[in-house]
Amino acid sequence: GESVGLHLPTLSVQEGDNSIINCAYSNSASDYFIWYKQESGKGPQFIIDIRSNMDKRQGQRVTVLLNKTVKHLSLQIAATQPGDSAVYFCAENGGGATNKLIFGTGTLLAVQP
Amino acid sequence: KAGVTQTPRYLIKTRGQQVTLSCSPISGHRSVSWYQQTPGQGLQFLFEYFSETQRNKGNFPGRFSGRQFSNSRSEMNVSTLELGDSALYLCASSLGGDLSSEKLFFGSGTQLSVL
Repeated sequence: GESVGLHLPTLSVQEGDNSIINCAYSNSASDYFIWYKQESGKGPQFIIDIRSNMDKRQGQRVTVLLNKTVKHLSLQIAATQPGDSAVYFCAENGGGATNKLIFGTGTLLAVQP
Repeated sequence: KAGVTQTPRYLIKTRGQQVTLSCSPISGHRSVSWYQQTPGQGLQFLFEYFSETQRNKGNFPGRFSGRQFSNSRSEMNVSTLELGDSALYLCASSLGGDLSSEKLFFGSGTQLSVL
């Protein structure tokens, strides 16, 4: 039969506002997390990563927060721009000696000019 | 530095055929991973190669296979294509040394359509 597509959560923000994209990860053994951005027709682009021994990491206009207690990850984008419009994925490594990543379902960020 | 290069960009095949996809990693990267992306299942890990050896494998049938060459370039093959194999196939490369915290860098993918 016909497969049902994943329903992507959508976050709509105004240009210049701050965006917060949330992610609940699945494996409590995961100790490394990455945020990726995927624009239409392109592969995922690395944004920022964080190890489990940290709870916050900042990059250029982006901040990742990690809450291991509730297995929650968030990506904050400051002064959101139209070029930030894309699908954002969080990924976890599942713990252990592997670089196999487990991806979340993604969030569509729509920036209104 | 050139990024991850995947060829071809688009492919159309019919059921029962086989297909080979190619990936050239970032220079100096020794690990190549393959992922399948579909609207229904999202991004799913296929396998990873390092130093010409499969180091990790996902939960896909044996019709999906791959290999890596001495220059780290990789190919994946899908035999006896099914309609459900229609997907974007993504290749990602990484240095391959620190398995616990590897940054994966993705190519633009090969969009495979099976008719």
